[in-house]
Amino acid sequence: DQQVKQNSPSLSVQEGRISILNCDYTNSMFDYFLWYKKYPAEGPTFLISISSIKDKNEDGRFTVFLNKSAKHLSLHIVPSQPGDSAVYFCAASAREGAQKLVFGQGTRLTINP
Amino acid sequence: GAVVSQHPSRVICKSGTSVKIECRSLDFQATTMFWYRQFPKQSLMLMATSNEGSKATYEQGVEKDKFLINHASLTLSTLTVTSAHPEDSSFYICSARGGSLISYEQYFGPGTRLTVT
Repeated sequence: DQQVKQNSPSLSVQEGRISILNCDYTNSMFDYFLWYKKYPAEGPTFLISISSIKDKNEDGRFTVFLNKSAKHLSLHIVPSQPGDSAVYFCAASAREGAQKLVFGQGTRLTINP
Repeated sequence: GAVVSQHPSRVICKSGTSVKIECRSLDFQATTMFWYRQFPKQSLMLMATSNEGSKATYEQGVEKDKFLINHASLTLSTLTVTSAHPEDSSFYICSARGGSLISYEQYFGPGTRLTVT
């Protein structure tokens, strides 16, 4: 039962353009969402998060949008840079259940020069 | 801030031996630590959650006698893979949460690549 889904295993974007990574979830108890960036053979690096009481959070080039009615969130990166090439995981957590993170499958983002 | 280290970064062991992986929070006190494993091209799967000074809580399907977790202090948790077998070969990652950090956010170590021959 995949509670957090990233349906696009890969995404290729031109440098300077906007990258949009999508994530869907099924558990309505999730109330906090996070995006992590991961390079091969390294641990994930925290990027940005959003609480369910908000619909948008912005930090520099990164913006996360949350649509609770659709159970959908997205990460926008603009402008995209070659260093953004990595695997991006979305994760969700609920106040119940020890606030464990449930991860999506990841999307490999490649930024082309 | 929020730095988590893991040691070793890579280990190769023979089948039947035990391997210990350490996870340390370097600049904050980790009231909770998590252990994950990741198979190639797959997501991170939570193995167990440990709170300092108490027994770890294991996810369904994870053998607690095989994957021993100790969270003896607010900065150190260890995962011991006992009687390792080739199918235990994987990338093991720890994360930590606590202190003044936002409660939901977990900070990850760099991971340990375990290869069992």
